[in-house]
Amino acid sequence: QVQLVESGGGVVQPGRSLRLSCAASGFSFRDYAMHWVRQAPGKGLEWVALLWYDGSNKKYADSVKGRFTISRDNSKNTLYLQMNRLRADDRAVYYCARDGANWGFRGIDYWGHGTLVNVSS
Amino acid sequence: QSVLTQPPSASGTPGQRVTISCSGSISNIRGNTVNWYQQIPGTAPRLLIYINNQRPSGVPDRFSGSKSGTSASLAISGLQSEDEADYFCASWDDNLDGWVFGGGTKLTVL
Repeated sequence: QVQLVESGGGVVQPGRSLRLSCAASGFSFRDYAMHWVRQAPGKGLEWVALLWYDGSNKKYADSVKGRFTISRDNSKNTLYLQMNRLRADDRAVYYCARDGANWGFRGIDYWGHGTLVNVSS
Repeated sequence: QSVLTQPPSASGTPGQRVTISCSGSISNIRGNTVNWYQQIPGTAPRLLIYINNQRPSGVPDRFSGSKSGTSASLAISGLQSEDEADYFCASWDDNLDGWVFGGGTKLTVL
């Protein structure tokens, strides 16, 4: 069965960096586009970034463009999110999610359980 | 303010049919497909409907989706207490060049 396990969350000061990882299993990771989605406490879902199956195309929400970088290592079945210049409003649970297609336009069909990023001084 | 607009709350009694709307624009819902997700508080979202009206295996046929123009709807028939959750719609937005979510609808089973 599809499993997505996020790690790397924690408490970080404003302006600092953090890298999230997502270990995928139960499917052919290299054949699917992947997303990061976040949810601030008590708020709705906010799409963050998308990466095509082969890493050739990346999309970002305006709120993170220029600060966050999505990447993947298909040899390790792992998705990453490098978050730089973190701000208080980046505080959220970050979900790793699989798209139903290899180019990211089908939408998310599986979600991880999320990892909490707390930006606080 | 979310790009896709949903009512913040909805309610119904067991056995009733409830509909949740999702309003967008020509840059998202009109030209692209809509997915729906269910999120029980404290857990990850779960896919309920994809490509406007398709149900993944394991999703009861009490859940159905539809799309017309710049709006989409999720209908839940035979409402059960376990349906109490937050529901989100999502679609690709051509102008934003990314995915957008609705603000979510909290469903209460009375």
